Amino acid sequence: GENVEQHPSTLSVQEGDSAVIKCTYSDSASNYFPWYKQELGKGPQLIIDIRSNVGEKKDQRIAVTLNKTAKHFSLHITETQPEDSAVYFCAATRGNNAGNMLTFGGGTRLMVKP
Amino acid sequence: GAVVSQHPSRVICKSGTSVKIECRSLDFQATTMFWYRQFPKQSLMLMATSNEGSKATYEQGVEKDKFLINHASLTLSTLTVTSAHPEDSSFYICSARVRGNEQFFGPGTRLTVL
Repeated sequence: GENVEQHPSTLSVQEGDSAVIKCTYSDSASNYFPWYKQELGKGPQLIIDIRSNVGEKKDQRIAVTLNKTAKHFSLHITETQPEDSAVYFCAATRGNNAGNMLTFGGGTRLMVKP
Repeated sequence: GAVVSQHPSRVICKSGTSVKIECRSLDFQATTMFWYRQFPKQSLMLMATSNEGSKATYEQGVEKDKFLINHASLTLSTLTVTSAHPEDSSFYICSARVRGNEQFFGPGTRLTVL
C-alpha cells in the first residue's frame, strides 16, 4: 500500500518569510496529491492539489511542486501571515475509482510568529 | 460549493451508551463518503469507506460491529459508536468524494466518553 512521509513535523517562521513542507510517497501509481490545512478543533480544508500530469501549480501565496521521478511533492507558502498558523497535511492517492482512499502524511504544525 | 456538515459538533456520553454522528453533503450528492478518526496531535486514520446503498468497507483493525455505518441516501452517512468506552474518545471526521479523487471534509465531531 501507499506510504506518505511528511517533514518537518513542526515549522516555525517569522511573519513574511516563506515556509516549505515536503512529502514523499511510495506508490508510483499515485496520481493525485492534495494538501489540507487543519485549524484547531476543525476539519481539514483543501487548500491546493496537484495531479501527476503537471509539475507545479500556484494559487496566490500557495504553490505545490511535484517530482514524479523522485516521488516527492512540496507545499510552498510565501509571505506567511499569522493566520497561516495551522497543521498542514499532505496526501496521496491513485486512480479514479470511488473507493480509492487518501493516504495522509503525519502532518506539519506551522507557527507563524508576528 | 462542496460543503460537508457534521452533527453534532461535540458530544459527551456515558460509558456503555451509543452515539450517532451524521455527515451530510449540503450542495452535492456523494456516492462515497469516508470516516476518519483523529487522536490529539496525530494524523487522520481512515476507519471505513461508506458507499450509498451498500455495506461499508472497514479498514483493518476497525470493528464493524462497534462502528456502525449507514449510507442510506446520496447526501447522508451516519456513524454509530456502539457501547462507547473512554478509549473511543476522539475527533471523528467525515469526508465526501466530490469528483475524481477530490475529498472535502466535514468540521468534525469531538466525542468524549466518560
